[in-house]
Amino acid sequence: DVKVTQSSRYLVKRTGEKVFLECVQDMDHENMFWYRQDPGLGLRLIYFSYDVKMKEKGDIPEGYSVSREKKERFSLILESASTNQTSMYLCASTDSYTDTQYFGPGTRLTVL
Amino acid sequence: AQSVTQLDSQVPVFEEAPVELRCNYSSSVSVYLFWYVQYPNQGLQLLLKYLSGSTLVKGINGFEAEFNKSQTSFHLRKPSVHISDTAEYFCAVRIKAAGNKLTFGGGTRVLVKP
Repeated sequence: DVKVTQSSRYLVKRTGEKVFLECVQDMDHENMFWYRQDPGLGLRLIYFSYDVKMKEKGDIPEGYSVSREKKERFSLILESASTNQTSMYLCASTDSYTDTQYFGPGTRLTVL
Repeated sequence: AQSVTQLDSQVPVFEEAPVELRCNYSSSVSVYLFWYVQYPNQGLQLLLKYLSGSTLVKGINGFEAEFNKSQTSFHLRKPSVHISDTAEYFCAVRIKAAGNKLTFGGGTRVLVKP
């Protein structure tokens, strides 16, 4: 079974803090994604990566950056957390042969 | 740019009754279509997908969906729901030949009542 793990299920941070969310997949997928999920808005793409050291902006990249130094790991960084970044963050990786995205369990981030 | 609209934000339904979740999309180019399900406190998992071929697609857990190109719709159905189908359901599209980037709808929360 494909496994996508995220470093924390719940996280509480203060405004202005630097926040790291980590995601690891164990199926050698090239494509990885970070989404945020908000009620009524569904999932919105923040950043994605097609390969190591490659990244592309999604629909809502402002206030976020990413890092992909190894194929299995994709990190989301909030340089200076703000209250409007309180949300559920979901990581995913894609099996290109079956066109299926596999999701991690999510990190619920609260910024106070 | 493509977009996805899920017309119902919440659908209450009694156990063993049928359910239909509506999804409409807009795109100027051909798309692939997906339904994902999110059970409470979990990530999303794929229910079914339409890539090509028959417009009636069968997925896991007894769900099926029909692709209607003229109406740009991809509605999800199940003839008889169980309590365990209580979850949030997301419709998504991907532009062909544009990588694996998905655009999701706003989600439909299904509450199955005994």
